[in-house]
Amino acid sequence: DTGVSQDPRHKITKRGQNVTFRCDPISEHNRLYWYRQTLGQGPEFLTYFQNEAQLEKSRLLSDRFSAERPKGSFSTLEIQRTEQGDSAMYLCASSLGDGHGYTFGSGTRLTVV
Amino acid sequence: AQSVTQPDIHITVSEGASLELRCNYSYGATPYLFWYVQSPGQGLQLLLKYFSGDTLVQGIKGFEAEFKRSQSSFNLRKPSVHWSDAAEYFCAVGASHNAGNMLTFGGGTRLMVKP
Repeated sequence: DTGVSQDPRHKITKRGQNVTFRCDPISEHNRLYWYRQTLGQGPEFLTYFQNEAQLEKSRLLSDRFSAERPKGSFSTLEIQRTEQGDSAMYLCASSLGDGHGYTFGSGTRLTVV
Repeated sequence: AQSVTQPDIHITVSEGASLELRCNYSYGATPYLFWYVQSPGQGLQLLLKYFSGDTLVQGIKGFEAEFKRSQSSFNLRKPSVHWSDAAEYFCAVGASHNAGNMLTFGGGTRLMVKP
């Protein structure tokens, strides 16, 4: 197992453009999480999937953000009409469930110019 | 809602010296507690976790942490620091009552190691 993979590692985009990130979790993990981390801060929860169902969304997840996990495997996070405040590291993690920690991916660093 | 405080933003220790990173949490029930380490530009690696049982938890890379319910603390320790331990360390609390077990992270402590 290669762990949690995220693509791309870096993304630079102009303000107003749409971006999409992909996360491939560990194959047997049924829980998948998205977190956002700004410089000098700890990660903040965005959303969580149990298999293909999106069960929780943070208030941080404005209507410009959408996440999917169509077949309960990989997930995508799309940001529409990006703003400079969206610049951050977007981290994906997966877990087997209660009693287990998360395994994080290396993240996608987004820079909005 | 749960919260985590890491009082020390930066800590510098000499190589070979002992280390203690502080973590205080707020949560109404028995928490799940974690320590993660992050190298620059990388994701987070799990060092250790506490769910129940023995309050002294051993982790990877020679780290340990002790859960003290009376002090709402989960401090991370290492008896002898190596230069490769320089990184950012995050304490996190998971809500044991919440089916999703989302984590709330502290602001992190950046560790620098002097030769």
